[in-house]
Amino acid sequence: QPVLTQSPSASASLGASVKVTCTLSSGHKTYSIAWHQQRPGRGPRYLLKVNSDGTYKRGAGIPDRFTGSASGTERALIISRLQSDDEADYFCQTWGTGMVFGGGTKLTVL
Amino acid sequence: EVQLLESGGGLVQPGGSLRLSCAASGFTFSNYAMSWVRQAPGKGLEWVSFMRSRNYGGMTEYAASVKDRFTFSRDEPTDLAFLQMDSLKTDDTAVYYCVRHLDYDLLTTYWGQGTLVTVSS
Repeated sequence: QPVLTQSPSASASLGASVKVTCTLSSGHKTYSIAWHQQRPGRGPRYLLKVNSDGTYKRGAGIPDRFTGSASGTERALIISRLQSDDEADYFCQTWGTGMVFGGGTKLTVL
Repeated sequence: EVQLLESGGGLVQPGGSLRLSCAASGFTFSNYAMSWVRQAPGKGLEWVSFMRSRNYGGMTEYAASVKDRFTFSRDEPTDLAFLQMDSLKTDDTAVYYCVRHLDYDLLTTYWGQGTLVTVSS
């Protein structure tokens, strides 16, 4: 069963870029993952999928400010040109015995 | 427009039952796998149950925490998914989300807005 580890918090300035990371447990470095955004008081929203080779595919209607990358067991979500409504919790997710979620990263836009 | 609309949440006593519904629209329901995911107040996301589309065998799976208490079903003529929750515990208190997946690419998802279930005496 894969385990996903995320830093609890991250911050960056309005208009800047930020990288939010998710680390797969050893033995699972070929796994693809998905990133989901959850704004305060709202349900989650699917952003994109990141493959182990670093390719990624955004969900329908997701702006191109959201991109993904991969290196070894690390999967990243990069948000460029930060906006105030990017302030949210970001969860990574993969599949094992059911959906497996990381603990989430709370992003603060300064 | 794709929509997943959950309903049926509310307040129930420990040991009681509740049935959640998820009304799907804007897509061909029978072509997609579905899941239920929950989020306890102030906590992260926890997968509850999953069901393949009939085209992919219709198999279901459950998290250990709900197995033998919760039952996932779907009615394709009416584009509805259900989560029957029995023997409810206070730990089941959460917002429950209905989630759609591509059967051949389970990571590509779409989320509903959720319905709150409160288990309390």
